[in-house]
Amino acid sequence: AQTVTQSQPEMSVQEAETVTLSCTYDTSESDYYLFWYKQPPSRQMILVIRQEAYKQQNATENRFSVNFQKAAKSFSLKISDSQLGDAAMYFCAYRSGGGNMLTFGGGTRLMVKP
Amino acid sequence: GAGVSQSPSNKVTEKGKDVELRCDPISGHTALYWYRQRLGQGLEFLIYFQGNSAPDKSGLPSDRFSAERTGESVSTLTIQRTQQEDSAVYLCASSFVLGQGRSGLFFGSGTQLSVL
Repeated sequence: AQTVTQSQPEMSVQEAETVTLSCTYDTSESDYYLFWYKQPPSRQMILVIRQEAYKQQNATENRFSVNFQKAAKSFSLKISDSQLGDAAMYFCAYRSGGGNMLTFGGGTRLMVKP
Repeated sequence: GAGVSQSPSNKVTEKGKDVELRCDPISGHTALYWYRQRLGQGLEFLIYFQGNSAPDKSGLPSDRFSAERTGESVSTLTIQRTQQEDSAVYLCASSFVLGQGRSGLFFGSGTQLSVL
């Protein structure tokens, strides 16, 4: 079974600075997808960024980018120019290429200091 | 609708009572998922529906939990004889097709269930 681990329960960043959230996963598959979701206090999970395992290039969405290290099974999220609205829980998630469900990590609470 | 809709937003019940949670997916989404999120924790998969195929019930924690979905429309998650450990946020998500990894899932805002 696949597992997803987020080793940082909480992180803090100064507004306008850069922060990196860590995620590692365990799988024997070669075809899979990785995601970062943001969960604000409203509870609704919002997709931040996705990465296909077959792509070597790291995904980027505006201020959000990932560092995908397939051999190390690592998938970290970098948030640049942090904003107050970035404060939320962040979840890393894995889905196998032919699978039906997402497997989530335990989450990292990000706090942004003004 | 524009997004995944869940009701009620909050539900308080007494131990031993049955509860029914509702999810209205995005129109056209054939796949529907239920997840449970205990306080301060990640999401646990409960059940998955894809079109008219038999649902994947592998995540249901006990036979007190069941879910139904008619076609590609509304789904209801039922918890019978609720226990205090059932207290959690129950999140519903939908997506277009089986195995569509690129799109990820679209989530509702969840139902906060509190069992007293």
